Amino acid sequence: GAGVSQSPRYKVAKRGQDVALRCDPISGHVSLFWYQQALGQGPEFLTYFQNEAQLDKSGLPSDRFFAERPEGSVSTLKIQRTQQEDSAVYLCASSPSTSGVNEQFFGPGTRLTVL
Amino acid sequence: AQRVTQPEKLLSVFKGAPVELKCNYSYSGSPELFWYVQYSRQRLQLLLRHISRESIKGFTADLNKGETSFHLKKPFAQEEDSAMYYCALPTGRRALTFGSGTRLQVQP
Repeated sequence: GAGVSQSPRYKVAKRGQDVALRCDPISGHVSLFWYQQALGQGPEFLTYFQNEAQLDKSGLPSDRFFAERPEGSVSTLKIQRTQQEDSAVYLCASSPSTSGVNEQFFGPGTRLTVL
Repeated sequence: AQRVTQPEKLLSVFKGAPVELKCNYSYSGSPELFWYVQYSRQRLQLLLRHISRESIKGFTADLNKGETSFHLKKPFAQEEDSAMYYCALPTGRRALTFGSGTRLQVQP
């Protein structure tokens, strides 16, 4: 079956532009996560959804970052007024359960470059 | 705060040599630890989790609470094991805290 998909795969933005990154989780997966991975680092947690509810947004680095999952499936991560430090790979992951810690299935990521 | 440390950025071994990828963690309570792997041009995927106590692709990892370690081991490395390896620890609402990763390079 299809895994987690993300679009676009690559995005180049000028500093100050707004961007929107899309994640299509595995069908039926309740949990959805966004991570940010800077060059040479491991993924860092941004935010977590259980169905349409955003239960944890403690990792969002500033109020320029906003995420939504209005119907409990597709999610969008929006970054307003992008800065050079936002350049990173943004990973989306989904998981079938909310009980305990289960395997997270990752998408291919969106590589954002802010010039 | 929970933290995962992978002290080696790069580990280079020859085919057939033993491999040990180090992972140390800080966590209050009984942790559940994971190893994720990213092969070239592929997405991040689960390799193994300590709770299952299984061997995947010849890799094993033992949780040592005294040393707060979860090192990944394989007795005989294969070229196809070359990849980025990340140790991870669950934090908060089921998100994961990852280490910075170790690149394993297995030379022929």
